[in-house]
Amino acid sequence: QKEVEQNSGPLSVPEGAIASLNCTYSDRGSQSFFWYRQYSGKSPELIMFIYSNGDKEDGRFTAQLNKASQYVSLLIRDSQPSDSATYLCAVFSGSARQLTFGSGTQLTVLP
Amino acid sequence: DGGITQSPKYLFRKEGQNVTLSCEQNLNHDAMYWYRQDPGQGLRLIYYSQIVNDFQKGDIAEGYSVSREKKESFPLTVTSAQKNPTAFYLCASRGQYQETQYFGPGTRLLVL
Repeated sequence: QKEVEQNSGPLSVPEGAIASLNCTYSDRGSQSFFWYRQYSGKSPELIMFIYSNGDKEDGRFTAQLNKASQYVSLLIRDSQPSDSATYLCAVFSGSARQLTFGSGTQLTVLP
Repeated sequence: DGGITQSPKYLFRKEGQNVTLSCEQNLNHDAMYWYRQDPGQGLRLIYYSQIVNDFQKGDIAEGYSVSREKKESFPLTVTSAQKNPTAFYLCASRGQYQETQYFGPGTRLLVL
């Protein structure tokens, strides 16, 4: 059973702080990793994807991947109240050509 | 204006009734997917299709059916065999050489 695990939260951080969201996965054959943001009642929207070990930065967002530890994280710098949402980690399996989603971490940024 | 559309936004089902959720995309994507999301849960795969006239069961296909007669369209039917259909249903698509999936706005299904 391919699994993707996330802490469900809720995670609360003050405005301007760094929010750290974590995800582990069980399938060592996983090739690519995605972070989606989902506001309440809305569909997921892609924030970032990462394929290679290390860090990938896009504005206030940084994705970190460690394939040896089967661990991927998302850092949000200078958190804003508008970042309050559920963040879904998804892992792409090349053999199945499909994404497996974690259950999401609910983030609240306090003004 | 390219994208994925789902209709209706809200759908009400009576006991014993089949209902069909629409998903259309004009992104020229080959693969399309249907997911179910329950409150506080992640996304679970119902069915997916990699090409026209072909589709595969996902993790929770029982009580659902699909068709893929056109590249642009991937409708999902929730049959009366699905005893707990209340959920948020999401359609997604992916280009042939891409791994990123893009989502439609979703349909919320409620049982009367």
